[in-house]
Amino acid sequence: DSGVTQTPKHLITATGQRVTLRCSPRSGDLSVYWYQQSLDQGLQFLIQYYNGEERAKGNILERFSAQQFPDLHSELNLSSLELGDSALYFCASSPPASGTRENIQYFGAGTRLSVL
Amino acid sequence: QQQVKQSPQSLIVQKGGISIINCAYENTAFDYFPWYQQFPGKGPALLIAIRPDVSEKKEGRFTISFNKSAKQFSLHIMDSQPGDSATYFCAASMVRGSARQLTFGSGTQLTVLP
Repeated sequence: DSGVTQTPKHLITATGQRVTLRCSPRSGDLSVYWYQQSLDQGLQFLIQYYNGEERAKGNILERFSAQQFPDLHSELNLSSLELGDSALYFCASSPPASGTRENIQYFGAGTRLSVL
Repeated sequence: QQQVKQSPQSLIVQKGGISIINCAYENTAFDYFPWYQQFPGKGPALLIAIRPDVSEKKEGRFTISFNKSAKQFSLHIMDSQPGDSATYFCAASMVRGSARQLTFGSGTQLTVLP
């Protein structure tokens, strides 16, 4: 168990809908990362938050947004869902020294999103 | 733009054999190269990692070989076991702006036959 908790484990919804994925990082970790894993594209970095502030953006669509709350949990909001958004969404967290090269990211078990 | 290329996409090895997964990168700003292991239904977990000033790192049956001039690195799993069956991702880490980011390869699905 990595200590990173993601809910829900599975989510089934329809095109055009909006969903929220939740992530609780490991105790003491300040950084939260979101990744999308699809069959044909591997793990794609979406966005990173550090202690409540957006730190870096990757290939995140404008229909997607995220935030990190004062208690350090994070939510990824996906709106106007399309069939192609069906994927595994992972959250990872890392300790406060997130700038050091050896800084490890610990991944949650993921949320599987199915858009029908 | 894919910056870390990984091969093969899938690999089948007999128990006791050697599994080899290769990765190549383009951006010389990458300064740390971890490998992650992912079992079905689980998130990726760090397996082993190497700095670019080291040519080889070994932890148990797992070895990373690193060729800085060729911008290539590989994972060798010696005496492969059925329990090693998983998806393996190479990754490369660098600082972008104020954040350190990981770029992952596309993954290799390893099956070790009993």
